Amino acid sequence: GAVVSQHPSRVICKSGTSVKIECRSLDFQATTMFWYRQFPKQSLMLMATSNEGSKATYEQGVEKDKFLINHASLTLSTLTVTSAHPEDSSFYICSAPRGGANEQFFGPGTRLTVL
Amino acid sequence: AQSVTQLGSHVSVSEGALVLLRCNYSSSVPPYLFWYVQYPNQGLQLLLKYTSAATLVKGINGFEAEFKKSETSFHLTKPSAHMSDAAEYFCAVSDRGGGFKTIFGAGTRLFVKA
Repeated sequence: GAVVSQHPSRVICKSGTSVKIECRSLDFQATTMFWYRQFPKQSLMLMATSNEGSKATYEQGVEKDKFLINHASLTLSTLTVTSAHPEDSSFYICSAPRGGANEQFFGPGTRLTVL
Repeated sequence: AQSVTQLGSHVSVSEGALVLLRCNYSSSVPPYLFWYVQYPNQGLQLLLKYTSAATLVKGINGFEAEFKKSETSFHLTKPSAHMSDAAEYFCAVSDRGGGFKTIFGAGTRLFVKA
């Protein structure tokens, strides 16, 4: 089956620093990837759609200058949390669709803790 | 706009009992529908999906779901719960029109009692 990886799985950083999270489709190409944010005991909130070769599409209320997305290749999308603050602490999950029925394959998630 | 409603943020069943997790969707046309499971600190795993071929969809781990257009529902069931089924379950909807965007329900936490 399709595999999506994320790196790192866990990161702790100081307030004010930037953190980059990678999402890779390991055995298929993905022109589109999605980034979600999940707070404890809550659902996934779609942050943005990452598009290979073009700008990301951000959901309403998501700061594009805060959460920089770059879809560098057909197998890699990166999310950079700039000038991180404690309120950015969350579980970030990426996904990539494959197949004709919009099925999403999810990465294992990245736990970000900002001190 | 599409939306998904999962009734019950928590469901508790005894081991061996029937599992029923409810999901209702809102969409102008029958969408693609999914159930995903999430274990703590992990990503989501697809349980099953509805793509219009058959209204009763069988998935992994003994789960199945029935698409009922008249009720705009896609409830998830399993005849006999196992302790390993304890997890968070998400119903999701995606537009057939392309774009791949998927909207998730709020999730239902399933507890299985011994």
